[in-house]
Amino acid sequence: EAEVAQSPRYKITEKSQAVAFWCDPISGHATLYWYRQILGQGPELLVQFQDESVVDDSQLPKDRFSAERLKGVDSTLKIQPAELGDSAMYLCASSPATGMNTEAFFGQGTRLTVV
Amino acid sequence: GNSVTQMEGPVTLSEEAFLTINCTYTATGYPSLFWYVQYPGEGLQLLLKATKADDKGSNKGFEATYRKETTSFHLEKGSVQVSDSAVYFCALTPFSGGYNKLIFGAGTRLAVHP
Repeated sequence: EAEVAQSPRYKITEKSQAVAFWCDPISGHATLYWYRQILGQGPELLVQFQDESVVDDSQLPKDRFSAERLKGVDSTLKIQPAELGDSAMYLCASSPATGMNTEAFFGQGTRLTVV
Repeated sequence: GNSVTQMEGPVTLSEEAFLTINCTYTATGYPSLFWYVQYPGEGLQLLLKATKADDKGSNKGFEATYRKETTSFHLEKGSVQVSDSAVYFCALTPFSGGYNKLIFGAGTRLAVHP
């Protein structure tokens, strides 16, 4: 069964350092999402791609976060510099279309701890 | 704006008990509604969905009915098992006429004991 792949699963970094997460969506899925899940809260959308284009990054802290999806396949989310408040689970998801009823498929996430 | 409110957890039940997890929403227009489940150490999985008023979504013994008049989408199961222990998230996709995105509630942790 096809899955969304994320790496690494866990990452510990010191504040002010740079950190990057990678996501490989299900093959053929045009829409890719990055969500942040703070402990005890629901996931919050950071950025949404349609193919290689960003269609929603309204909640992305652009002074320190960046995301790209070159060639419209896999994606990288970067934080530079990391802050203590960035400690969270970072979830990648993909879906085959953009309709309201379309299911999003989630990866296992990257748990980031900033010390 | 668009938002989802879930009952706070944890919800602790004995095996074979009846489960209800309340979910209400605020949205413009007519959103699609979802329940996702997150088992320990795993990502989110779609449990069920409903796309219009009075629709009932169902899967693995879980059910939820889209109630427009009460803006609710409560999750129910008649007899829970230990293996149902997880965090359950209610979510909506608002009608935006453009690109969809999921808006989640805070999640409700369910613990089922033998």
